[in-house]
Amino acid sequence: NAGVTQTPKFQVLKTGQSMTLQCAQDMNHEYMSWYRQDPGMGLRLIHYSVGAGITDQGEVPNGYNVSRSTTEDFPLRLLSAAPSQTSVYFCASSYSSGEAYNEQFFGPGTRLTVL
Amino acid sequence: DAKTTQPPSMDCAEGRAANLPCNHSTISGNEYVYWYRQIHSQGPQYIIHGLKNNETNEMASLIITEDRKSSTLILPHATLRDTAVYYCIVLMTTDSWGKLQFGAGTQVVVTP
Repeated sequence: NAGVTQTPKFQVLKTGQSMTLQCAQDMNHEYMSWYRQDPGMGLRLIHYSVGAGITDQGEVPNGYNVSRSTTEDFPLRLLSAAPSQTSVYFCASSYSSGEAYNEQFFGPGTRLTVL
Repeated sequence: DAKTTQPPSMDCAEGRAANLPCNHSTISGNEYVYWYRQIHSQGPQYIIHGLKNNETNEMASLIITEDRKSSTLILPHATLRDTAVYYCIVLMTTDSWGKLQFGAGTQVVVTP
């Protein structure tokens, strides 16, 4: 199993540009989520999904959109990038059954810089 | 969800046990204690979790006090690869499920 994969690894955007961060998992996990981590801080939840077609907002959803058309993929879209979105983005997945929700597998991260 | 308090940093000698404390004095009866770690620049990694009883797996042991107001993660024989930020997270069993809240954690440095 490849686990949780994220692309790209690094990205530089100009203010106002749009882009999609890709996340895929091959573990048949129902639950997927996106976090951002700013320098020297812990991770904060952006959006999450408990299955295909179902998404919901986390702690810091503004400026980001998500959709979940398949179990495997959970892309994160930045419609109009802002410097405040400069961060490291992590995707995670887990089984959606009781305590397994919180035994999450994280991807390697995408390092995004917005100029 | 209950807040957690961890020391900002600690050092440990290679081969010795590392004991990482976490205070969660406001924890309620249906809240679990989870531990994750994040090695530099990588995604966090799940370590272990527990509710009331002590737990052990291939990575670590988790000791929860009887009143559940604090816990200790034990890395039995620390290696240089255990250098990481360790996060203690408390979660309820209802709609907080899956919504991990990471604090600042404890930076553990294992030295030769």
